Amino acid sequence: DSGVTQTPKHLITATGQRVTLRCSPRSGDLSVYWYQQSLDQGLQFLIQYYNGEERAKGNILERFSAQQFPDLHSELNLSSLELGDSALYFCASSLGTSVGNEQFFGPGTRLTVL
Amino acid sequence: GQQVMQIPQYQHVQEGEDFTTYCNSSTTLSNIQWYKQRPGGHPVFLIQLVKSGEVKKQKRLTFQFGEAKKNSSLHITATQTTDVGTYFCAGQGTSYDKVIFGPGTSLSVIP
Repeated sequence: DSGVTQTPKHLITATGQRVTLRCSPRSGDLSVYWYQQSLDQGLQFLIQYYNGEERAKGNILERFSAQQFPDLHSELNLSSLELGDSALYFCASSLGTSVGNEQFFGPGTRLTVL
Repeated sequence: GQQVMQIPQYQHVQEGEDFTTYCNSSTTLSNIQWYKQRPGGHPVFLIQLVKSGEVKKQKRLTFQFGEAKKNSSLHITATQTTDVGTYFCAGQGTSYDKVIFGPGTSLSVIP
């Protein structure tokens, strides 16, 4: 158990819909990262927050947005869903952002768009 | 932009054989991390390398960071079935850059 929790575990929805994925980092960790993992794309970095502020951005679509709240939990919002958005979404947390901060991954949310 | 590549994509070995995966970055890295993901699981941190030419060992696993800090390798001696999974390297340009994951090497071990 990494100490990172993600809800829900599974999500099945239809195209065009909007969903919210939730992540609670390990106690004491200030950074939260979101990744998308699909069979043909590997582990794709989406976005990172550090202590409530956006720190780094990866290949995140405009239809996706995220935020980190004062209690450090984070939410990833996916809207206008398409079939291709079906994937495993991981959240990870680390103590900070500088060298030496290993990332602890949550169990993931499996999103299926029908 | 920065790219991180890994070879091979897949590797099938007989139990007891050695295994090596290689990671190459298009730019110089400040550090490189290695993760392992078991089938159906989530990535788990294995190690981080920071210094040029650094070599670190964890039991049967040996990790190396190249002199130019642009490549790295993970070597497993005498593989076991518990080594099955996908091994990812992840590089960071500077300490404030985002971490870029390689595509991973999927290891299968035939008992």
